[in-house]
Amino acid sequence: SQQGEEDPQALSIQEGENATMNCSYKTSINNLQWYRQNSGRGLVHLILIRSNEREKHSGRLRVTLDTSKKSSSLLITASRAADTASYFCATDAMDSNYQLIWGAGTKLIIKP
Amino acid sequence: SQTIHQWPATLVQPVGSPLSLECTVEGTSNPNLYWYRQAAGRGLQLLFYSVGIGQISSEVPQNLSASRPQDRQFILSSKKLLLSDSGFYLCAWSGLWGRRAEAFFGQGTRLTVV
Repeated sequence: SQQGEEDPQALSIQEGENATMNCSYKTSINNLQWYRQNSGRGLVHLILIRSNEREKHSGRLRVTLDTSKKSSSLLITASRAADTASYFCATDAMDSNYQLIWGAGTKLIIKP
Repeated sequence: SQTIHQWPATLVQPVGSPLSLECTVEGTSNPNLYWYRQAAGRGLQLLFYSVGIGQISSEVPQNLSASRPQDRQFILSSKKLLLSDSGFYLCAWSGLWGRRAEAFFGQGTRLTVV
């Protein structure tokens, strides 16, 4: 089942602008992870945020987690053309059977 | 450092033909291994996972099977492909059991069944 749901489904912005993607989930989680996928390639892990954390940073990435709203956001600051990719959230749900639950992803296009 | 290799990158197979996709991991021992399928524009669907040699768990009953003949080798197979088996297949490994750790992915195999 797809617990994570990202929005928007697609996002197109100008280079240099900030990009914000959101992920909502349904059940209690242990952690939430964000991944990036370039077209036709494998996924690359970006950041993991645990259920007891509210915010985490990694370079130009900022992830927030609101467990009361069952939602997370990924902010990419000062976007670059190389950030063009699909971004997925994956949840480690407490009641799942040893698998990450994946959303359908947000397709991000950075216009030069 | 750890690396994961998955091949082939693309594959076109006729309906009814067999399938064998291979994935190997280097630089780590006793990894947890996963096979996923990704439909176009969608998220990942877990097909199989393995916590050790010969230990395979199936998440979705279908026309596919998986085997782990060696610690760092994971194989996805089918005896007879269906059109519906077309998709993008991804192999992944993680270092801790379950999902409380990041997963590392291969580059994927684009399978087209014709």
